[in-house]
Amino acid sequence: AQRVTQPEKLLSVFKGAPVELKCNYSYSGSPELFWYVQYSRQRLQLLLRHISRESIKGFTADLNKGETSFHLKKPFAQEEDSAMYYCALRDSGGSNYKLTFGKGTLLTVNP
Amino acid sequence: KAGVTQTPRYLIKTRGQQVTLSCSPISGHRSVSWYQQTPGQGLQFLFEYFSETQRNKGNFPGRFSGRQFSNSRSEMNVSTLELGDSALYLCASSLGNRRHYGYTFGSGTRLTVV
Repeated sequence: AQRVTQPEKLLSVFKGAPVELKCNYSYSGSPELFWYVQYSRQRLQLLLRHISRESIKGFTADLNKGETSFHLKKPFAQEEDSAMYYCALRDSGGSNYKLTFGKGTLLTVNP
Repeated sequence: KAGVTQTPRYLIKTRGQQVTLSCSPISGHRSVSWYQQTPGQGLQFLFEYFSETQRNKGNFPGRFSGRQFSNSRSEMNVSTLELGDSALYLCASSLGNRRHYGYTFGSGTRLTVV
């Protein structure tokens, strides 16, 4: 079974501070991991996917298979980063195309 | 290019009724997935269609069904509505044939069952 855990429902930081949103997963197969973000009154949108190893809006995430984690990090948070962040997993092989989401972390960046 | 379009944006239905939601994917996208989002359960996978075939199904009762047309547009139907079906229903599309592509989501249909 696929499971994604985001241990923090709420995370509050000050502008300019580093931020780390935690994501742990449980999956016996080979996973693909994603981070999705939902800004206020906007639709859910893809932020990062581990396979592309990219940095978007200053955010990075590294897949750690040993710790089964895919934490999202940004060295200097900005107020516009305030949003709901979801970690998601899907199988990288076979025929299972569903995304399993964590419950999300609401990030607030204070001025 | 146009994004994923879901209609209607809002719906109010009575218990026992049925409802049909529509999703038009991004042009060229052949995969459409449906998710239910509620405050308690978060985002839960309903089903996924590719080239008019259901490839995956989540753990929802048979009252929830869907289909995909030859133009990739998709509909989902919920019969015999229950109060617990009140939720935001999200549709997502992707190319479907490149596994590392992420999905593009629509704005959702907010269903309220009274």
